Amino acid sequence: QKEVEQDPGPLSVPEGAIVSLNCTYSNSAFQYFMWYRQYSRKGPELLMYTYSSGNKEDGRFTAQVDKSSKYISLFIRDSQPSDSATYLCAMSRHNTDKLIFGTGTRLQVFP
Amino acid sequence: DTGVSQDPRHKITKRGQNVTFRCDPISEHNRLYWYRQTLGQGPEFLTYFQNEAQLEKSRLLSDRFSAERPKGSFSTLEIQRTEQGDSAMYLCASSFRDSGEPGNQPQHFGDGTRLSIL
Repeated sequence: QKEVEQDPGPLSVPEGAIVSLNCTYSNSAFQYFMWYRQYSRKGPELLMYTYSSGNKEDGRFTAQVDKSSKYISLFIRDSQPSDSATYLCAMSRHNTDKLIFGTGTRLQVFP
Repeated sequence: DTGVSQDPRHKITKRGQNVTFRCDPISEHNRLYWYRQTLGQGPEFLTYFQNEAQLEKSRLLSDRFSAERPKGSFSTLEIQRTEQGDSAMYLCASSFRDSGEPGNQPQHFGDGTRLSIL
């Protein structure tokens, strides 16, 4: 079993929809949680960075962390075709910077 | 552009050859990381440096792989005697860690070097 599980999709939604992306994890030592966006043939781009449990909002993006359930989410409001990409969750323990990634969810937003 | 820079963007080589990739981190960043990403998977950690010191290596980093960061600035990743299974995207990331600052810092990635083994 992988430490971080993420549904690979693809997820296809119409423009303007609210998108929900999720990851579950098994290691309770994870303290730092990130979401990256990756376009084809590009490197991952940091979207959200949170520590421990709670919510964080940045523009159209909201990240939620529920450590009791070992579950993290990324919500995208008013989705746009330019949001079409692969979304990677990543996490790390307190005593190491090593990131553990999910497999990524491919999102397609159609006009 | 002041982001993480990787060179080359794409490398095609024959099995058994040696290859070397270069990464230039964001200028004020003292930590540098290498990851490997295969198709349909998330990046997997290989190794990381704090300044010139290599602090952690993954079991994925076999003895054919070596990474250096000689002056604490750019880094190189060399693969000797390449194999078909080495075909992947090799990603570099960097971050800044203040010794007096608690917690991990977010990592920023370059666009990677895509390695294709013929």
